Amino acid sequence: AIQMTQSPSSLSASVGDRVTITCRASQGIRNDLGWYQQKPGKAPKLLIYAASSLQSGVPSRFSGSGSGTDFTLTISSLQPEDFATYYCLQDYNWPWTFGQGTKVEIK
Amino acid sequence: QVQLVQSGSELKKPGASVKVSCKASGYTFTSYAMNWVRQAPGQGLEWMGWINTNTGNPTYAQGFTGRFVFSLDTSVSTAYLQISSLKAEDTAVYYCARSGPNNHFDYWGQGTLVTVSS
Repeated sequence: AIQMTQSPSSLSASVGDRVTITCRASQGIRNDLGWYQQKPGKAPKLLIYAASSLQSGVPSRFSGSGSGTDFTLTISSLQPEDFATYYCLQDYNWPWTFGQGTKVEIK
Repeated sequence: QVQLVQSGSELKKPGASVKVSCKASGYTFTSYAMNWVRQAPGQGLEWMGWINTNTGNPTYAQGFTGRFVFSLDTSVSTAYLQISSLKAEDTAVYYCARSGPNNHFDYWGQGTLVTVSS
């Protein structure tokens, strides 16, 4: 199975900060990657698919980039509602695999 | 609007079985695949597999073969996850999630907590 490694595992940031989360695949996955946001006690929410396509209704401060093995999720100006855990998910081949998550906390 | 509504929390004893339902509305049920995702307490997300809502053919990820069964009742637009011979380590929140047009999970159920304890 393809391993997805996210970094960092957690980070502290302030409102207005630019935040970058990375996800590395154990083998090339083209651009078959999505990003999800999960708040405590809630179901995950799709933010980005195909590495860089913004899901409908998601604020434009979220962006994704990368292809092959290295990917990033960027929040251009962190808002109070963005404090959550973020996961990448590869859909290149089965079994689809998630990264271990990155928790974004308030500094 | 698209909604996935799951059945309520379950408390089961080791060795018992549980069946979680996921009722879809707001779209044509057989047009999109359904996935199941597990989240153990305080842990990350784990993709369990998916079921083709047209054919009923399931695909299971490693670690979810044997005791886990995905099924459908298309007449009521509902997907099911059944887990048999429950173990304490099956304690988790189980989510159903629709595969959208771009493959990724664009709609999720609210999650069902299954607790296995004697």
